[in-house]
Amino acid sequence: QSALTQPASVSGSPGQSITISCTGASSDVGAYNYVSWYQQHPGKAPKVMIYEVSNRPSGVSNRFSGSKSGNTASLTISGLQAEDEADFYCSSYTNSNTYVFGTGTKVTVL
Amino acid sequence: QVQLVQSGAEVKKPGASVTVSCEASGYTFIGKNIHWVRQAPGQGLEWMGWISPNSGGTNSAQKFQGRITMTRDTSINTAYMELSRLRSDDTAVYFCARGEGSSWFDPWGQGTLVIVSS
Repeated sequence: QSALTQPASVSGSPGQSITISCTGASSDVGAYNYVSWYQQHPGKAPKVMIYEVSNRPSGVSNRFSGSKSGNTASLTISGLQAEDEADFYCSSYTNSNTYVFGTGTKVTVL
Repeated sequence: QVQLVQSGAEVKKPGASVTVSCEASGYTFIGKNIHWVRQAPGQGLEWMGWISPNSGGTNSAQKFQGRITMTRDTSINTAYMELSRLRSDDTAVYFCARGEGSSWFDPWGQGTLVIVSS
């Protein structure tokens, strides 16, 4: 199972919106609405930001939103803030009853 | 609150095995799967496998099949992940995480650093 493809880095100025893509295949992202997104600050455990493509867990800011089209999922961060600077990973369930993570995206707030 | 607490750092020699534990609290342990994820230094997240604390059933990424053993002890709400025939590229932080349905992982343990070095 190959890792899902994400851009290595995305940057934006405070207040701007950015979008991170996550491209998989018809056996994972395209097959199920079981895509989730995680934020990871250096030295910390990942934290879920979006689950099942577009749902936000309690306590996660509504500046984070998710969507999916075909084999590609996307995470959008609106009103970018300094605290959003972190690594972001997508994840998907697969048709082998396994899971796969994305390659990871470093978000930089300029 | 829901919490996963992992065992401490390990240093192992190539060819050895390591076992990482993950103690759950704040919820019904047998109700949700436990997943194992690792992260090599400076690298991304890599899903390794899951165990159902209820049935003991497991599934793992093809890459680890034959080297990974996941078990649980429901009397102490603890899951275990053993990785055998360690190589230097197994040096990583190993996380456990609770699975939510077929979908997402929350919360995560604090991570366990495993260093493989001769």
